Amino acid sequence: AQSVSQHNHHVILSEAASLELGCNYSYGGTVNLFWYVQYPGQHLQLLLKYFSGDPLVKGIKGFEAEFIKSKFSFNLRKPSVQWSDTAEYFCAVTLNTGFQKLVFGTGTRLLVSP
Amino acid sequence: GAGVSQSPSNKVTEKGKDVELRCDPISGHTALYWYRQSLGQGLEFLIYFQGNSAPDKSGLPSDRFSAERTGGSVSTLTIQRTQQEDSAVYLCASSWDLSFNQPQHFGDGTRLSIL
Repeated sequence: AQSVSQHNHHVILSEAASLELGCNYSYGGTVNLFWYVQYPGQHLQLLLKYFSGDPLVKGIKGFEAEFIKSKFSFNLRKPSVQWSDTAEYFCAVTLNTGFQKLVFGTGTRLLVSP
Repeated sequence: GAGVSQSPSNKVTEKGKDVELRCDPISGHTALYWYRQSLGQGLEFLIYFQGNSAPDKSGLPSDRFSAERTGGSVSTLTIQRTQQEDSAVYLCASSWDLSFNQPQHFGDGTRLSIL
């Protein structure tokens, strides 16, 4: 069965620092990749998604992610974080076959200090 | 409504009781999903519906869990004879259909605590 690994469980950054959160998946077939964010007290929201085409995907709030097929990775990046980016970030994958069951990573808690 | 609505937002109950969790998807969304978010297991998939049909129930943790959807809209997740390990946040999501390019939109969840 496919799985998703997020290597950073907790990240603490100062405002204006650059962010990169790692995500690796284990599946050899065609996948769809997602980053979701959960702000404190709020529901999961879609940050960005990759289905096909340009492997560099831009999402909301200045986030981007790069799909590197050879490394089975989909890392999330932001050049300069803000205090409002404090949240939990989840990488997820679905397969291109069957129904769209999201398989999530364990999440990364990001704390941005002002 | 504008988003996926779940009720109740919080539920505290005694071990052994039955609970019902409700999900009202975004209007027009034919696909509906249930997930569970717990400390030990992270976010795990439970079941999905296409219309009123749930073709795959293998994600449900035990036979104490059941779900139904009526009228292609509201869904209810029922847990019978609750156990402490059922304590978690139960999330519902909906999407336009099951196509891979249709993202899932999540509700706020129901936080279930079993005493």
